[in-house]
Amino acid sequence: QQQVKQSPQSLIVQKGGISIINCAYENTAFDYFPWYQQFPGKGPALLIAIRPDVSEKKEGRFTISFNKSAKQFSLHIMDSQPGDSATYFCAASRFGNEKLTFGTGTRLTIIP
Amino acid sequence: DAGVIQSPRHEVTEMGQEVTLRCKPISGHNSLFWYRQTMMRGLELLIYFNNNVPIDDSGMPEDRFSAKMPNASFSTLKIQPSEPRDSAVYFCASRGLAGGFYEQYFGPGTRLTVT
Repeated sequence: QQQVKQSPQSLIVQKGGISIINCAYENTAFDYFPWYQQFPGKGPALLIAIRPDVSEKKEGRFTISFNKSAKQFSLHIMDSQPGDSATYFCAASRFGNEKLTFGTGTRLTIIP
Repeated sequence: DAGVIQSPRHEVTEMGQEVTLRCKPISGHNSLFWYRQTMMRGLELLIYFNNNVPIDDSGMPEDRFSAKMPNASFSTLKIQPSEPRDSAVYFCASRGLAGGFYEQYFGPGTRLTVT
């Protein structure tokens, strides 16, 4: 019940396109859903996060869409750029102050 | 803000040796996490502390691993004796309240190679 399932495992998108990464969770007590971006040789960096009281949060080219009834949330990267090529992790936690449960990661490659 | 600081950044040691990884969390953060990342197993939580107290160590692989947090600004992860299968990148992360959210920030990691 603690799992967060992330898909796809890898994704190739053309420059300027939209990258979409999906996550699904089982624990209805989860109430905090962050996304992390990791470049090779670096630690994961907090990218954007959402609470279930809103269905969407946008920061620049990055948008989280949240569907509470389906227990799913997704990351959309608009106008994808080669600099967005990285591994993306979704995560979830209960009450926001307990340990994060991470998805397995998506390796995103943006091609020219 | 210096972020989470980890040392050393790289460690190469021989099997059987003791390894100590160090972490300085972001000032004001009251939770600290140790993770291990490998290609095979992904990102694994080893242990986490709230207010310097270990809360969940269920991810610690075995008795060879131990972690301490003697004060709010310092934590160590020790492996004794080390084995080749311990080779991984070890991340420390700290968490604090920011704008109503508890936000968790990772350090740059320590790449451990055990030969």
